[in-house]
Amino acid sequence: GDSVTQMEGPVTLSEEAFLTINCTYTATGYPSLFWYVQYPGEGLQLLLKATKADDKGSNKGFEATYRKETTSFHLEKGSVQVSDSAVYFCALSDRGNDYKLSFGAGTTVTVRA
Amino acid sequence: DSGVTQTPKHLITATGQRVTLRCSPRSGDLSVYWYQQSLDQGLQFLIQYYNGEERAKGNILERFSAQQFPDLHSELNLSSLELGDSALYFCASSVGQGVYEQYFGPGTRLTVT
Repeated sequence: GDSVTQMEGPVTLSEEAFLTINCTYTATGYPSLFWYVQYPGEGLQLLLKATKADDKGSNKGFEATYRKETTSFHLEKGSVQVSDSAVYFCALSDRGNDYKLSFGAGTTVTVRA
Repeated sequence: DSGVTQTPKHLITATGQRVTLRCSPRSGDLSVYWYQQSLDQGLQFLIQYYNGEERAKGNILERFSAQQFPDLHSELNLSSLELGDSALYFCASSVGQGVYEQYFGPGTRLTVT
């Protein structure tokens, strides 16, 4: 079945540092890939998505590229802010799995001023 | 604000009891998804409804059931509650069935004592 593996946290960074969160996936078909963010005490928000190989999703300075050859969708941001402190979830959605979202375990990111 | 509403925000109940969680999707969205977020299991898909019909089932216990009403709101019923059912329950909605963005509600935090 489908599964998502993302790097374990927690990750602690200083403001303006570079952030990378690794995500790899296993899927039987051709999934769409997503990054969701969960701020403290809130629900999940879609951060970015990519629906086919080599697509790059981007939003709020975050980027991720759908790499079919390495089955990866790593999240990056060049200069983080304190307000980026949150839990980040990598997820996939696949027709063969009724389009339900399969999530990774989540990575907690803390950015210090 | 995603446009998805969930009530109640918090629920505290005893083992053996039954509770109902309510979700109203975004205006125009026909699909509703339920997810459970717990510390040990992470984010798990429970069940999906599309325009009143059940479309996909995930790791949903037999003690749990759901339905989607003609006005498209959905209810998740949890019965014979156990301590291990304590979790955050999220509802998400999307326009249709397929690779559409899912918009999450703020969640209902259930505590079983």
